Amino acid sequence: SAVISQKPSRDICQRGTSLTIQCQVDSQVTMMFWYRQQPGQSLTLIATANQGSEATYESGFVIDKFPISRPNLTFSTLTVSNMSPEDSSIYLCSVLPRLAEIYNEQFFGPGTRLTVL
Amino acid sequence: RKEVEQDPGPFNVPEGATVAFNCTYSNSASQSFFWYRQDCRKEPKLLMSVYSSGNEDGRFTAQLNRASQYISLLIRDSKLSDSATYLCVVKGTANNLFFGTGTRLTVIP
Repeated sequence: SAVISQKPSRDICQRGTSLTIQCQVDSQVTMMFWYRQQPGQSLTLIATANQGSEATYESGFVIDKFPISRPNLTFSTLTVSNMSPEDSSIYLCSVLPRLAEIYNEQFFGPGTRLTVL
Repeated sequence: RKEVEQDPGPFNVPEGATVAFNCTYSNSASQSFFWYRQDCRKEPKLLMSVYSSGNEDGRFTAQLNRASQYISLLIRDSKLSDSATYLCVVKGTANNLFFGTGTRLTVIP
């Protein structure tokens, strides 16, 4: 498995502002992902964070709204830009550790609970 | 059509009962399947992978029917600690995961 931390754990923000969420892993991982879980709903993949290149976004998500960085194999950031109340959600980082690749077993960070007023 | 469809429940069962959850997936090319467990206000955690031949882990049994694109999870001898939301998950083509909406289970004393 992998130990994953996210910062901040929660935040309350004003509409129109931006928030950057950090995800740190205790070991090098091949793949990192960002998910969103809106209130009462399941998880939706936002994008795959690619090390050294632009993130791969899922349908409905764009780089201007959710810019992602991945400078190395243990760290990634997700920014939620120009926030509106509809962005209120839990944002989760997940990783696919190298040793778990064969089993495709992903592990999730504790999440960042965002409330936009 | 959603990638993964799951009965949302809720399921309220007495301790010791056997309960089964089902889900269906839309992409016949999918190769990897999982059940995750999510406790209230916590992140999802992998419960078990689902293999073609079916697999068992203690009180939990997972089965896959590729012809019907159907996955199941059986929990025997339910414990209070089994109360959680169970997420059916299918791996996409690029290692990303598609989640069902989850089935909420409450085990009652």
